[in-house]
Amino acid sequence: DAKTTQPPSMDCAEGRAANLPCNHSTISGNEYVYWYRQIHSQGPQYIIHGLKNNETNEMASLIITEDRKSSTLILPHATLRDTAVYYCIVRVLDTGNQFYFGTGTSLTVIP
Amino acid sequence: DAMVIQNPRYQVTQFGKPVTLSCSQTLNHNVMYWYQQKSSQAPKLLFHYYDKDFNNEADTPDNFQSRRPNTSFCFLDIRSPGLGDAAMYLCATSRDRIAVEAFFGQGTRLTVV
Repeated sequence: DAKTTQPPSMDCAEGRAANLPCNHSTISGNEYVYWYRQIHSQGPQYIIHGLKNNETNEMASLIITEDRKSSTLILPHATLRDTAVYYCIVRVLDTGNQFYFGTGTSLTVIP
Repeated sequence: DAMVIQNPRYQVTQFGKPVTLSCSQTLNHNVMYWYQQKSSQAPKLLFHYYDKDFNNEADTPDNFQSRRPNTSFCFLDIRSPGLGDAAMYLCATSRDRIAVEAFFGQGTRLTVV
């Protein structure tokens, strides 16, 4: 079952940073935070994941609070192609644990 | 190049008529998943295969079955589709159960008439 809470929708101006919050107050010590996004009419796409430390890759940055009860996905320079639904998932990186999606945030990047 | 391929992209079936959706992968991944996604909702996991080991989610209706004849292919069978089964069906793969990333296909949109 999904264990995350996200705002249902957000807007962001093109070229600005998009900061997408996620609350996972019941996260366990061995659960990772994952972010996926789903562009309209496509399958979800992996963005980034982390356990405790902040992470950055070519797509985004992930900031996890010290108590690990919340995180923020940052798209540093949002483009129109970043318009999508963004899902925050917590998952044990262990045998048998699957990807369960929560409700997600619908991000609209505005020209 | 597509790595997880779902055919067809759009499927129309009659109420109560069995329908099969197919998924193939070129990644040689051990795990294959099937998700159901209804309009404006998040994907919902139906079941998954770890190699030949089938794992059903507790709340997946009996109307939904799956087959995995080999590593590359996985099928979703809906025995008696109802109007409520109209949805996008997504197939995904991961290298193994502890893999970081799942790779999704484009989905098959099922319409029940």
